[in-house]
Amino acid sequence: EDKVVQSPLSLVVHEGDTVTLNCSYEVTNFRSLLWYKQEKKAPTFLFMLTSSGIEKKSGRLSSILDKKELFSILNITATQTGDSAIYLCAVVRSGATNKLIFGTGTLLAIQP
Amino acid sequence: GAGVSQTPSNKVTEKGKYVELRCDPISGHTALYWYRQSLGQGPEFLIYFQGTGAADDSGLPNDRFFAVRPEGSVSTLKIQRTERGDSAVYLCASSPGHQNTEAFFGQGTRLTVV
Repeated sequence: EDKVVQSPLSLVVHEGDTVTLNCSYEVTNFRSLLWYKQEKKAPTFLFMLTSSGIEKKSGRLSSILDKKELFSILNITATQTGDSAIYLCAVVRSGATNKLIFGTGTLLAIQP
Repeated sequence: GAGVSQTPSNKVTEKGKYVELRCDPISGHTALYWYRQSLGQGPEFLIYFQGTGAADDSGLPNDRFFAVRPEGSVSTLKIQRTERGDSAVYLCASSPGHQNTEAFFGQGTRLTVV
């Protein structure tokens, strides 16, 4: 059975700290891994990773994929209160559909 | 519109009633997905449309759930004989339909069955 596991389930840090969120997966015919940020209801896209070892960056956020060890990390440096959200990891299998298999998410709270 | 639009944003219904949830995808996106998200969980896949046809409905939990996309644009998720366990946020997403493109999500419909 396909499985996506995120850790920690929740995390509270102070503004300015750096955080690392983890996502491990067991999926047959892996194609890509995506990270989303969910603040209210709509998940918003952050990164799509398809190749191992290539870091993707967007401002203070970065992510990398390890296809041998079957995991990805999402780093956020110099955190701000606006980074408070649920961070979702999802995996896509090769095949006719692009359906996303999500983890349960990491709830991140940034204290001022 | 600029993004995926879902209506209503909130729906409260009595157990046993029928509900329809609407999704208006990004213009030109051929792929459309419905997901359901319960409290404290990640979204769970329900159904995928490519154009007008349901290419994958393996996530629909039972035959009370049905979805259509008659003209390849707007989609409606229909739930018959609602149960309290159907309470969740129903998310719709669309994508251009090519491989390795991300899906864009709507704001969701929060369904509460009382």
